[in-house]
Amino acid sequence: ETGVTQTPRHLVMGMTNKKSLKCEQHLGHNAMYWYKQSAKKPLELMFVYSLEERVENNSVPSRFSPECPNSSHLFLHLHTLQPEDSALYLCASSHDGTAYNEQFFGPGTRLTVL
Amino acid sequence: AQSVTQLGSHVSVSEGALVLLRCNYSSSVPPYLFWYVQYPNQGLQLLLKYTSAATLVKGINGFEAEFKKSETSFHLTKPSAHMSDAAEYFCAVSVGRHNFGNEKLTFGTGTRLTIIP
Repeated sequence: ETGVTQTPRHLVMGMTNKKSLKCEQHLGHNAMYWYKQSAKKPLELMFVYSLEERVENNSVPSRFSPECPNSSHLFLHLHTLQPEDSALYLCASSHDGTAYNEQFFGPGTRLTVL
Repeated sequence: AQSVTQLGSHVSVSEGALVLLRCNYSSSVPPYLFWYVQYPNQGLQLLLKYTSAATLVKGINGFEAEFKKSETSFHLTKPSAHMSDAAEYFCAVSVGRHNFGNEKLTFGTGTRLTIIP
């Protein structure tokens, strides 16, 4: 595997389910990100992990819970989601959290909440 | 906080014609600017980036962009469109380190480019 991989690519879940999205980067980067991409809206940065430091957006609902066990893996745990949470969830990584380093994106997980 | 405006959510050009996708930014400090492309069912891929070196930046697939501070613009161009250029294009601006509350990396809403045969 090369680059940034995400599993699953597609996920359908009910509002009461618990599921997890997985991201793995094979680039030796130190920063990882979760984004939400909804139709007709800008990409929304949800969470950042940089050099083991978690930076949390207070506006992200608690039904989304990130986990970064090491610099290569990032998870997004989902619980009691709402239909409006249906979107493409993108994972990205960069060398570190500095602004001039580009981010490398995975293919995304298309989430549908019924 | 910084922001990005992409004029035109949809742009159509004929194959072989000039591609021009517009991006204007707002930032109180010198920005870093990026263009990404997203093909169907894929993640975003970096086309090019401006990091305060040369104002004319060349990227992959024949694309280039020019940083114009006086116009706060970073428009993306390609002299001759190919069918394979059909995709969605995102402009993004970044300053400093990631720190929520200041939203350090900000994307525009995207421009969908259609190529007419």
